[in-house]
Amino acid sequence: EAQVTQNPRYLITVTGKKLTVTCSQNMNHEYMSWYRQDPGLGLRQIYYSMNVEVTDKGDVPEGYKVSRKEKRNFPLILESPSPNQTSLYFCASSLSARESGYTFGSGTRLTVV
Amino acid sequence: RKEVEQDPGPFNVPEGATVAFNCTYSNSASQSFFWYRQDCRKEPKLLMSVYSSGNEDGRFTAQLNRASQYISLLIRDSKLSDSATYLCVVDSSASKIIFGSGTRLSIRP
Repeated sequence: EAQVTQNPRYLITVTGKKLTVTCSQNMNHEYMSWYRQDPGLGLRQIYYSMNVEVTDKGDVPEGYKVSRKEKRNFPLILESPSPNQTSLYFCASSLSARESGYTFGSGTRLTVV
Repeated sequence: RKEVEQDPGPFNVPEGATVAFNCTYSNSASQSFFWYRQDCRKEPKLLMSVYSSGNEDGRFTAQLNRASQYISLLIRDSKLSDSATYLCVVDSSASKIIFGSGTRLSIRP
Protein backbone atom coordinates (compact mmCIF):
# COMPACT_ATOMS: atom_id res chain seq x y z
CA GLU A 1 0.00 0.00 0.00
CA ALA A 2 1.30 3.43 -0.96
CA GLN A 3 1.75 5.42 2.20
CA VAL A 4 3.66 7.90 4.31
CA THR A 5 4.50 6.57 7.75
CA GLN A 6 5.14 8.88 10.64
CA ASN A 7 6.26 7.94 14.12
CA PRO A 8 5.40 8.42 16.88
CA ARG A 9 1.70 9.30 16.68
CA TYR A 10 1.73 10.93 20.10
CA LEU A 11 4.63 12.31 22.09
CA ILE A 12 4.84 14.21 25.36
CA THR A 13 8.28 15.51 26.21
CA VAL A 14 9.99 18.08 28.40
CA THR A 15 11.58 21.33 27.35
CA GLY A 16 15.09 20.91 26.01
CA LYS A 17 15.05 17.16 25.46
CA LYS A 18 16.07 16.42 21.87
CA LEU A 19 13.60 14.41 19.83
CA THR A 20 13.19 13.08 16.31
CA VAL A 21 9.98 12.43 14.44
CA THR A 22 10.49 9.94 11.66
CA CYS A 23 8.85 10.01 8.24
CA SER A 24 9.14 7.37 5.56
CA GLN A 25 7.41 7.01 2.17
CA ASN A 26 7.27 3.99 -0.14
CA MET A 27 6.19 5.74 -3.35
CA ASN A 28 9.62 6.79 -4.62
CA HIS A 29 8.55 10.43 -4.34
CA GLU A 30 11.22 13.06 -4.79
CA TYR A 31 9.49 15.82 -2.87
CA MET A 32 8.92 15.64 0.89
CA SER A 33 7.80 18.26 3.35
CA TRP A 34 7.00 18.87 7.00
CA TYR A 35 4.08 20.94 8.24
CA ARG A 36 2.73 21.97 11.58
CA GLN A 37 -0.94 22.66 12.12
CA ASP A 38 -2.21 24.94 14.83
CA PRO A 39 -5.78 26.15 15.48
CA GLY A 40 -6.59 29.22 13.43
CA LEU A 41 -3.25 29.13 11.61
CA GLY A 42 -3.77 26.25 9.22
CA LEU A 43 -0.91 24.19 7.83
CA ARG A 44 2.44 25.93 7.86
CA GLN A 45 5.47 24.53 6.13
CA ILE A 46 8.54 23.91 8.28
CA TYR A 47 11.07 22.43 5.84
CA TYR A 48 10.94 20.73 2.49
CA SER A 49 13.20 18.60 0.33
CA MET A 50 13.22 18.49 -3.45
CA ASN A 51 15.44 15.40 -3.52
CA VAL A 52 18.15 13.51 -1.67
CA GLU A 53 20.57 15.88 0.10
CA VAL A 54 18.49 18.90 -1.00
CA THR A 55 16.57 20.60 1.79
CA ASP A 56 15.29 24.12 2.29
CA LYS A 57 13.45 26.21 4.83
CA GLY A 58 9.73 26.68 4.73
CA ASP A 59 7.79 29.40 6.50
CA VAL A 60 8.48 28.41 10.12
CA PRO A 61 11.88 26.65 10.27
CA GLU A 62 13.15 28.09 13.58
CA GLY A 63 13.87 25.40 16.14
CA TYR A 64 13.77 22.54 13.64
CA LYS A 65 16.26 20.57 11.57
CA VAL A 66 15.80 17.99 8.84
CA SER A 67 17.93 15.66 6.79
CA ARG A 68 17.40 13.72 3.55
CA LYS A 69 20.10 11.10 3.29
CA GLU A 70 17.85 8.64 1.49
CA LYS A 71 14.93 9.22 -0.83
CA ARG A 72 12.38 7.49 1.37
CA ASN A 73 13.20 9.09 4.76
CA PHE A 74 12.85 12.66 5.93
CA PRO A 75 13.15 12.94 9.73
CA LEU A 76 12.27 16.09 11.65
CA ILE A 77 14.60 16.93 14.51
CA LEU A 78 13.88 19.23 17.43
CA GLU A 79 17.25 19.82 19.10
CA SER A 80 15.85 21.69 22.10
CA PRO A 81 12.05 21.59 22.09
CA SER A 82 10.11 24.43 23.66
CA PRO A 83 6.43 24.70 24.64
CA ASN A 84 5.64 26.83 21.56
CA GLN A 85 6.48 23.79 19.45
CA THR A 86 3.49 21.96 20.87
CA SER A 87 1.50 21.22 17.75
CA LEU A 88 0.18 18.64 15.31
CA TYR A 89 2.88 17.73 12.78
CA PHE A 90 2.39 16.22 9.34
CA CYS A 91 4.89 14.82 6.90
CA ALA A 92 3.91 14.76 3.23
CA SER A 93 5.40 13.48 0.00
CA SER A 94 4.68 14.06 -3.65
CA LEU A 95 6.07 13.40 -7.13
CA SER A 96 6.67 17.13 -7.43
CA ALA A 97 6.25 20.25 -5.35
CA ARG A 98 3.44 21.80 -7.32
CA GLU A 99 1.92 19.58 -10.02
CA SER A 100 0.94 16.57 -7.98
CA GLY A 101 -1.24 15.94 -5.00
CA TYR A 102 0.43 15.28 -1.66
CA THR A 103 0.15 12.14 0.43
CA PHE A 104 0.25 12.89 4.14
CA GLY A 105 1.30 10.81 7.07
CA SER A 106 -1.16 10.25 9.91
CA GLY A 107 0.32 13.03 11.99
CA THR A 108 2.29 13.38 15.22
CA ARG A 109 0.72 15.19 18.11
CA LEU A 110 3.58 16.68 20.11
CA THR A 111 3.25 18.23 23.54
CA VAL A 112 6.24 19.98 25.10
CA VAL A 113 5.89 20.73 28.80
CA ARG B 1 -3.51 39.98 2.24
CA LYS B 2 -3.13 36.24 2.70
CA GLU B 3 -1.95 34.25 -0.33
CA VAL B 4 -4.89 31.87 -0.03
CA GLU B 5 -8.11 32.81 1.73
CA GLN B 6 -11.12 30.73 2.62
CA ASP B 7 -14.30 31.41 4.53
CA PRO B 8 -13.72 29.42 7.75
CA GLY B 9 -17.42 28.62 8.14
CA PRO B 10 -18.80 26.58 9.69
CA PHE B 11 -21.34 25.79 7.02
CA ASN B 12 -24.17 23.83 8.56
CA VAL B 13 -26.49 22.35 5.93
CA PRO B 14 -29.11 19.59 5.84
CA GLU B 15 -28.43 16.27 4.24
CA GLY B 16 -29.22 16.33 0.54
CA ALA B 17 -28.47 20.02 0.13
CA THR B 18 -26.07 21.51 -2.37
CA VAL B 19 -23.25 23.52 -0.85
CA ALA B 20 -20.52 25.58 -2.47
CA PHE B 21 -17.50 27.37 -1.16
CA ASN B 22 -14.88 29.54 -2.74
CA CYS B 23 -11.23 30.14 -2.17
CA THR B 24 -9.38 33.23 -3.39
CA TYR B 25 -5.68 33.40 -4.18
CA SER B 26 -3.40 36.38 -4.63
CA ASN B 27 -0.67 35.12 -6.98
CA SER B 28 -1.79 35.55 -10.58
CA ALA B 29 1.07 33.27 -11.71
CA SER B 30 -0.27 30.27 -9.79
CA GLN B 31 -0.67 27.18 -11.96
CA SER B 32 -1.76 24.32 -9.73
CA PHE B 33 -4.90 24.14 -7.64
CA PHE B 34 -6.29 21.45 -5.40
CA TRP B 35 -9.00 20.71 -2.88
CA TYR B 36 -8.18 18.56 0.14
CA ARG B 37 -10.47 17.13 2.76
CA GLN B 38 -9.45 16.87 6.41
CA ASP B 39 -11.43 15.02 9.05
CA CYS B 40 -11.06 16.04 12.67
CA ARG B 41 -7.58 15.19 14.00
CA LYS B 42 -6.72 13.31 10.82
CA GLU B 43 -4.36 13.99 7.95
CA PRO B 44 -5.48 15.99 4.89
CA LYS B 45 -6.39 13.85 1.90
CA LEU B 46 -6.46 14.93 -1.72
CA LEU B 47 -10.05 15.36 -2.86
CA MET B 48 -9.47 16.60 -6.38
CA SER B 49 -7.26 18.69 -8.59
CA VAL B 50 -8.77 21.77 -10.20
CA TYR B 51 -8.26 22.22 -13.91
CA SER B 52 -8.83 25.27 -16.06
CA SER B 53 -11.75 23.59 -17.77
CA GLY B 54 -13.28 22.57 -14.47
CA ASN B 55 -13.69 18.99 -13.37
CA GLU B 56 -16.26 16.77 -11.82
CA ASP B 57 -15.96 13.65 -9.68
CA GLY B 58 -19.32 12.20 -8.77
CA ARG B 59 -21.11 14.70 -6.54
CA PHE B 60 -18.13 17.04 -6.44
CA THR B 61 -17.38 19.75 -8.97
CA ALA B 62 -14.35 22.02 -8.88
CA GLN B 63 -13.92 25.14 -10.96
CA LEU B 64 -11.22 27.69 -11.55
CA ASN B 65 -11.78 31.34 -12.36
CA ARG B 66 -8.42 32.83 -13.32
CA ALA B 67 -9.77 36.30 -14.08
CA SER B 68 -11.13 36.71 -10.58
CA GLN B 69 -8.49 34.46 -8.99
CA TYR B 70 -10.67 32.03 -7.17
CA ILE B 71 -11.45 28.34 -7.15
CA SER B 72 -14.69 26.79 -6.05
CA LEU B 73 -15.95 23.46 -4.78
CA LEU B 74 -19.55 22.38 -5.22
CA ILE B 75 -20.99 19.40 -3.38
CA ARG B 76 -24.34 18.12 -4.57
CA ASP B 77 -26.72 15.85 -2.64
CA SER B 78 -24.58 16.19 0.48
CA LYS B 79 -24.15 13.20 2.77
CA LEU B 80 -23.48 13.04 6.50
CA SER B 81 -20.06 11.64 5.60
CA ASP B 82 -19.18 14.87 3.79
CA SER B 83 -18.81 16.61 7.16
CA ALA B 84 -15.18 17.68 7.28
CA THR B 85 -12.89 20.64 6.76
CA TYR B 86 -12.11 21.42 3.13
CA LEU B 87 -8.72 22.91 2.38
CA CYS B 88 -7.94 24.92 -0.70
CA VAL B 89 -4.37 24.57 -2.00
CA VAL B 90 -2.60 26.81 -4.49
CA ASP B 91 1.00 26.79 -5.66
CA SER B 92 3.01 29.94 -5.02
CA SER B 93 6.24 28.91 -6.74
CA ALA B 94 7.95 25.92 -8.34
CA SER B 95 8.84 24.59 -4.91
CA LYS B 96 5.97 25.67 -2.72
CA ILE B 97 2.25 25.28 -2.26
CA ILE B 98 0.07 27.17 0.17
CA PHE B 99 -2.77 25.66 2.16
CA GLY B 100 -5.80 27.72 3.03
CA SER B 101 -6.96 27.59 6.63
CA GLY B 102 -9.96 25.52 5.62
CA THR B 103 -13.74 25.72 5.53
CA ARG B 104 -15.62 23.62 8.06
CA LEU B 105 -18.67 21.83 6.72
CA SER B 106 -21.22 20.11 8.92
CA ILE B 107 -24.06 18.10 7.38
CA ARG B 108 -27.06 17.57 9.65
CA PRO B 109 -29.61 14.74 9.30
